[in-house]
Amino acid sequence: DVKVTQSSRYLVKRTGEKVFLECVQDMDHENMFWYRQDPGLGLRLIYFSYDVKMKEKGDIPEGYSVSREKKERFSLILESASTNQTSMYLCASSRDGGGNQPQHFGDGTRLSIL
Amino acid sequence: AQRVTQPEKLLSVFKGAPVELKCNYSYSGSPELFWYVQYSRQRLQLLLRHISRESIKGFTADLNKGETSFHLKKPFAQEEDSAMYYCALRAGNKLVFGAGTILRVKS
Repeated sequence: DVKVTQSSRYLVKRTGEKVFLECVQDMDHENMFWYRQDPGLGLRLIYFSYDVKMKEKGDIPEGYSVSREKKERFSLILESASTNQTSMYLCASSRDGGGNQPQHFGDGTRLSIL
Repeated sequence: AQRVTQPEKLLSVFKGAPVELKCNYSYSGSPELFWYVQYSRQRLQLLLRHISRESIKGFTADLNKGETSFHLKKPFAQEEDSAMYYCALRAGNKLVFGAGTILRVKS
């Protein structure tokens, strides 16, 4: 069974801090994704990666960056946290090989920026 | 532009009643559509995909290209179906999600 693990379930940070959200998957998946989940807006893609050291902007990349130094780990970085980045963050991974591979999600990190 | 629309934020039905969660999409290519579900205190997970033409937990969804819809249906709702449901469209390497519909099944 695929396991996607996000390092924190809850996180509280202050405005202006640099914040790291970590995600690890154990199924050797090529693709990894970071979303934020907000009521009434659904899931919005921040960044994704289809290989080590490769990254692509999603729909809302502003204020975020990512790092994929190893295949199993995909980090989301808030360079200077702001209150409008308070949200639930979901990491997902999927196998490569065509459009029908499902995405497997982590439990999420609920981030509060004060 | 790729877009997924779920017009209902909340759908409330009684146990045993039929359920239809609406999903409409906008996509210029050949669409691949999915339904994901998130039960309370659980992670988001795939429910079904249109290409498999499967029935999962009694749910089915048919892709209607003419109406650009992929509505999720179940003939008799159960209390354990209460959850958040997301419709999603594959666009290249990405999934585009709708805003989600909360299904509440009352006893």
